[in-house]
Amino acid sequence: EIVLTQSPGTLSLSPGERATLSCRASQSVSSSYLAWYQQKPGQAPRLLIYDASGRATGIPDRFSGSGSGTDFTLTISRLEPEDFAVYYCHQYGSSPQTFGQGTKVEIK
Amino acid sequence: QVQLVQSGAEVKKPGASVKVSCKASGYTFDSYYMHWVRQAPGQGLEWMGIINPSGGSPYYAQRLQGRVTMTRDTSTSTVYMELSSLRSEDTAVYYCARWVTGTTVGFDYWGQGTLVTVSS
Repeated sequence: EIVLTQSPGTLSLSPGERATLSCRASQSVSSSYLAWYQQKPGQAPRLLIYDASGRATGIPDRFSGSGSGTDFTLTISRLEPEDFAVYYCHQYGSSPQTFGQGTKVEIK
Repeated sequence: QVQLVQSGAEVKKPGASVKVSCKASGYTFDSYYMHWVRQAPGQGLEWMGIINPSGGSPYYAQRLQGRVTMTRDTSTSTVYMELSSLRSEDTAVYYCARWVTGTTVGFDYWGQGTLVTVSS
């Protein structure tokens, strides 16, 4: 199975700053079938990005995804207070589907 | 509007089984695959398997093979996930999640989660 490793584990930033989250796969992700989810405490995850760079319906354009093969990035251009949460990458190109362990974006 | 409403929290003893339901509404039930994903306390997400509400065999994560069964009832637009031979490591929040394809791809709607606690 494909192992997804996210870094850093925790990102401490201030509102208005830029956040760059990394997701590295143990083998190439087929057709860039990689998504990003945001999860806040006590809530289900929320789809942000699909196919590595597609923005899901209703997601603000400050969220962007990039990458291919084994290296993927989620960028939040300017952090809003509601963006402080945990972010997971998810590959769906190979079975079983797998998730990264998450990156927590916290207020500095 | 699309809703996935799951059954309530469960407390089970090791070795027992649990069955969690997920009732869908607001869309055509058999047009979207449903997945189950779990999350142990303070941990990440783990994909468990997929079921096609219109029929066919479910597909399970290999590490859960033999212990997990996913079924559906089209008359009530409900999918079920049953996990047997429960262990403490199965303590988690269990989510059903609808898989969408087309203009967006991914889990676009999630149930509210069902906490299953395995404890003697």
